Amino acid sequence: NAGVTQTPKFQVLKTGQSMTLQCAQDMNHNSMYWYRQDPGMGLRLIYYSASEGTTDKGEVPNGYNVSRLNKREFSLRLESAAPSQTSVYFCASSAGTERHQPQHFGDGTRLSIL
Amino acid sequence: AQSVTQPDIHITVSEGASLELRCNYSYGATPYLFWYVQSPGQGLQLLLKYFSGDTLVQGIKGFEAEFKRSQSSFNLRKPSVHWSDAAEYFCAVGEGGSYIPTFGRGTSLIVHP
Repeated sequence: NAGVTQTPKFQVLKTGQSMTLQCAQDMNHNSMYWYRQDPGMGLRLIYYSASEGTTDKGEVPNGYNVSRLNKREFSLRLESAAPSQTSVYFCASSAGTERHQPQHFGDGTRLSIL
Repeated sequence: AQSVTQPDIHITVSEGASLELRCNYSYGATPYLFWYVQSPGQGLQLLLKYFSGDTLVQGIKGFEAEFKRSQSSFNLRKPSVHWSDAAEYFCAVGEGGSYIPTFGRGTSLIVHP
């Protein structure tokens, strides 16, 4: 009954370090998403993947890369972390490939960059 | 591009009272509308969605929302609030094509006993 699992839950980085946030879903969903949530800003879409092997940019993709490794896993990479990337990151998934409303969210990764 | 406004940053209600959270959107065509709830320290959960058809939409946990095209609104309602409803609520609007939603900034619901 795991749903969407994100690792790690917390991380502190120094400016310039790199890191990969992991996300896996066990619901056989086609679409997966990465969002960031900042205070008073709601959620903003970073990247999404409508199906295995495809990825597309969202609203705020700069400074990030993604990999849809297989149908279950969708990772987010920060190549050179910056303080502006301090945020809570959420991975989400949905079953369909046409009407992409994210249905299931992970519990988030709280990332601080010093 | 679409946008969504949640005019109220915080709403305080007493347990058992009715609730209405406001959401206004800006989009030229028929929007696709969503409400999500986020409990502290957790991810979002989809409460309900509107794509077409009946403008009154029923969701989980006793919530409903009504799409009013003339007012560009999609307000969330619940007739009697429980203490466990205290959370952050997000309205979102999706546009045609991929329908990937844009989120509002959220309304924090505080429930007094």
